[in-house]
Amino acid sequence: GQNIDQPTEMTATEGAIVQINCTYQTSGFNGLFWYQQHAGEAPTFLSYNVLDGLEEKGRFSSFLSRSKGYSYLLLKELQMKDSASYLCAVRDSNYQLIWGAGTKLIIKP
Amino acid sequence: ETGVTQTPRHLVMGMTNKKSLKCEQHLGHNAMYWYKQSAKKPLELMFVYNFKEQTENNSVPSRFSPECPNSSHLFLHLHTLQPEDSALYLCASSQDGGRGANVLTFGAGSRLTVL
Repeated sequence: GQNIDQPTEMTATEGAIVQINCTYQTSGFNGLFWYQQHAGEAPTFLSYNVLDGLEEKGRFSSFLSRSKGYSYLLLKELQMKDSASYLCAVRDSNYQLIWGAGTKLIIKP
Repeated sequence: ETGVTQTPRHLVMGMTNKKSLKCEQHLGHNAMYWYKQSAKKPLELMFVYNFKEQTENNSVPSRFSPECPNSSHLFLHLHTLQPEDSALYLCASSQDGGRGANVLTFGAGSRLTVL
């Protein structure tokens, strides 16, 4: 079966750096997405990786290793507003999106 | 308004009621989606419409009935639901619905409680 694994919950301190991992086993690969979802709000798109390597976008970076079935989302200079759930999703060979259950990130002062 | 708008934001219904969820997108996208989000579970794709044609129905029970009258509007008609159907129902849209980057724009969701 197809599977996306990410930690259920993580805690980090304001101003610090946190890395949220995502591992996947899917039938083929056509891109990996990260979305952010604040409580009670819509998920919003953060990043898309289809080639190996690091994509940087301000304080957020996303890394992909296709050979290892692995991605991470790196958040720097954490702010209280970064408290949210982070959803990892992989598009398989049929261009279907397979979703992880999300990682709830708690930022403490 | 911009983006994807869902109404109502909250809905409580009995198992014998009939209600509808509405989604409207103002982005000019041609694909629209219904997802179910339950606590601590992955998003479950329910239905996909491309250019108003239903292209996916992921074995969703017939008590959920989608309707897409045009590319901007999507409805989810609900009848004789079960308590386990209580969840957040998310609507999303995208530009191509196919093999491009296909970034989804989500609405804030309709929180459904079935008593």
